[in-house]
Amino acid sequence: AQSVTQLDSHVSVSEGTPVLLRCNYSSSYSPSLFWYVQHPNKGLQLLLKYTSAATLVKGINGFEAEFKKSETSFHLTKPSAHMSDAAEYFCVVSDGYGGATNKLIFGTGTLLAVQP
Amino acid sequence: DVKVTQSSRYLVKRTGEKVFLECVQDMDHENMFWYRQDPGLGLRLIYFSYDVKMKEKGDIPEGYSVSREKKERFSLILESASTNQTSMYLCASYTPTGYYGYTFGSGTRLTVV
Repeated sequence: AQSVTQLDSHVSVSEGTPVLLRCNYSSSYSPSLFWYVQHPNKGLQLLLKYTSAATLVKGINGFEAEFKKSETSFHLTKPSAHMSDAAEYFCVVSDGYGGATNKLIFGTGTLLAVQP
Repeated sequence: DVKVTQSSRYLVKRTGEKVFLECVQDMDHENMFWYRQDPGLGLRLIYFSYDVKMKEKGDIPEGYSVSREKKERFSLILESASTNQTSMYLCASYTPTGYYGYTFGSGTRLTVV
């Protein structure tokens, strides 16, 4: 069965410094992986997705993630944090090949705080 | 843009009440999902549906049922609400064709007292 593990429940960075949010996955086949962001009192927004194309995936707002099969990781990074990046981030794996009964399996979330 | 609309943003219900949470999507998506979100647990799948009148249990279906009479509407039903069902409920829709992604509603925060 597919699963994801977010290694940090809370991450705090200073504005202008790099962001690293860590995610490891478990999958019996080549997975589809996503990062979603949820700002306070807002809905979930897709940041980026990996679906077996390029291993380095660029998303919105300057975020990117690298799929590393050998390490079963899909870490989210951003070179320079902005105050508006403060939110909860979810690493997600898709349970399926994109077929009719695809399901998303969520990690437990990482709360990112950005200090001025 | 695909829109997923949840009818209520906040609900307060009493223990034992039957509760209906409604979700409507406007892009003819086949698949719809109900998740609940709790701090430290992420989102957990309650039920999903891949077609009208079709439903499948997710990871935590106990105490819930669903209804999908029309393609655009997917209802979550709490047969007899309990305090441990106090949570944020999120609806999502998805299609395997075209853009590979899910669209989520803005959520319903349910409090059972």
